[in-house]
Amino acid sequence: DQQVKQNSPSLSVQEGRISILNCDYTNSMFDYFLWYKKYPAEGPTFLISISSIKDKNEDGRFTVFLNKSAKHLSLHIVPSQPGDSAVYFCAASARGTSYGKLTFGQGTILTVHP
Amino acid sequence: DVKVTQSSRYLVKRTGEKVFLECVQDMDHENMFWYRQDPGLGLRLIYFSYDVKMKEKGDIPEGYSVSREKKERFSLILESASTNQTSMYLCASSLEQGARTEAFFGQGTRLTVV
Repeated sequence: DQQVKQNSPSLSVQEGRISILNCDYTNSMFDYFLWYKKYPAEGPTFLISISSIKDKNEDGRFTVFLNKSAKHLSLHIVPSQPGDSAVYFCAASARGTSYGKLTFGQGTILTVHP
Repeated sequence: DVKVTQSSRYLVKRTGEKVFLECVQDMDHENMFWYRQDPGLGLRLIYFSYDVKMKEKGDIPEGYSVSREKKERFSLILESASTNQTSMYLCASSLEQGARTEAFFGQGTRLTVV
């Protein structure tokens, strides 16, 4: 039962253009969402998060959008840079008894071409 | 600078061996987690701990156990390694439940069971 889904295994974008990574979730108890970036042979690093009381959060080139009614979130990277090439994971957590436990999607491999 | 350190970057073990993966964090975090990452499956939670000597099963605990004798250290134990446990193992830590902050990850241990 995949509660967090990233349906696009890969995305290829030209440098300078926008990258849009998508994520869907099924668990209505999720109320906090995060995006992580991972390079090969390294651990994931935190990028940006959003609480369910918001529909948008921005940090530099990265913006996360949340559509609660559709149970959908997206990460926009503008402008995309070759150094952004990595695997991107979305993750979600639920308030209450989860102790900060994160449920992750399958990941999307982003390739930004110079 | 926050730090989660895993004892080994690469490990090769034989089928049937008992394997210990060690993780140490220096951030005084209450929560610690062990995930494994496999292509197409994302990060899946094996076990987590919210306090010293406290542990909870994650989504895929079979074949694993954990130990948390000190707050800063969380060990993952493969009781009898099998080839289907070949994977990237990632340790993470986070603040207590109410803090709503991100989890910080170690650099990962690539385990190969032959």
